[in-house]
Amino acid sequence: DAGVIQSPRHEVTEMGQEVTLRCKPISGHNSLFWYRQTMMRGLELLIYFNNNVPIDDSGMPEDRFSAKMPNASFSTLKIQPSEPRDSAVYFCASSPKNEQFFGPGTRLTVL
Amino acid sequence: QKEVEQNSGPLSVPEGAIASLNCTYSDRGSQSFFWYRQYSGKSPELIMSIYSNGDKEDGRFTAQLNKASQYVSLLIRDSQPSDSATYLCAVRLGSSNTGKLIFGQGTTLQVKP
Repeated sequence: DAGVIQSPRHEVTEMGQEVTLRCKPISGHNSLFWYRQTMMRGLELLIYFNNNVPIDDSGMPEDRFSAKMPNASFSTLKIQPSEPRDSAVYFCASSPKNEQFFGPGTRLTVL
Repeated sequence: QKEVEQNSGPLSVPEGAIASLNCTYSDRGSQSFFWYRQYSGKSPELIMSIYSNGDKEDGRFTAQLNKASQYVSLLIRDSQPSDSATYLCAVRLGSSNTGKLIFGQGTTLQVKP
C-alpha cells in the first residue's frame, strides 16, 4: 500500500501568489482530512470530507483558503492569495472509519 | 480550558526505563482516543488507539484509558533512544465514528543512552 501521497513536498512562493496542494488518499478510505501544523498552534484541522463531500470546514482560516475533492482519489487545498503567515506544514490524512493515517506533508514557505 | 491537554515536556528518561505520557480531555462524551508519534520533520504516525476503559497493550506500548477521570496515558516500556520523538494525544469528540480529531500540543520525549 502506497500510503497517503502529497505533492509537492516543499513549496516556496511569494506573497500574493496562488498555492495549490494536492493529496491522494489511501484507496478505499472514505474520509479525508486537511491539517496545518505550526510551532505556535500545533496541529489544526482545516477541513474534512466524507465520501467526497465537505463535512466541516470550520477550521479554514479565511476565504483565501478553499478545498475540493472531485473524486475519491484526489483532493486539493488552495490558498489564494498566499500570505507569509500561511507558512506551515500542511498534512493530508485519510481514514477508513476510525483511525487516521497521515501523508508526508507539504512544507509551505511564503516569502 | 483546552479540549485536549498534554504536558509539553520535554520528558527525559534513561534508556531501559518506563516513559509515561499523559493526556486529559474535556468532552465527557468522547469515545475514541489515539496516540501518534511524530519524529522531527516527519508526519504523525499512529501507534495506538483505545476505545474502552482499561489497558491496551501492543509490544512495548500500553495505552490506558479512564473515562471517569477523562484521562488517557501511554506507557513505553524499555525505552530506547529511537523512541525520542513528540507524542501527540488525539481525541474524537462525541460518540461519532467519523469526524474530526482534536490533537493535544504533544509531549516531547527524550530517551538518553
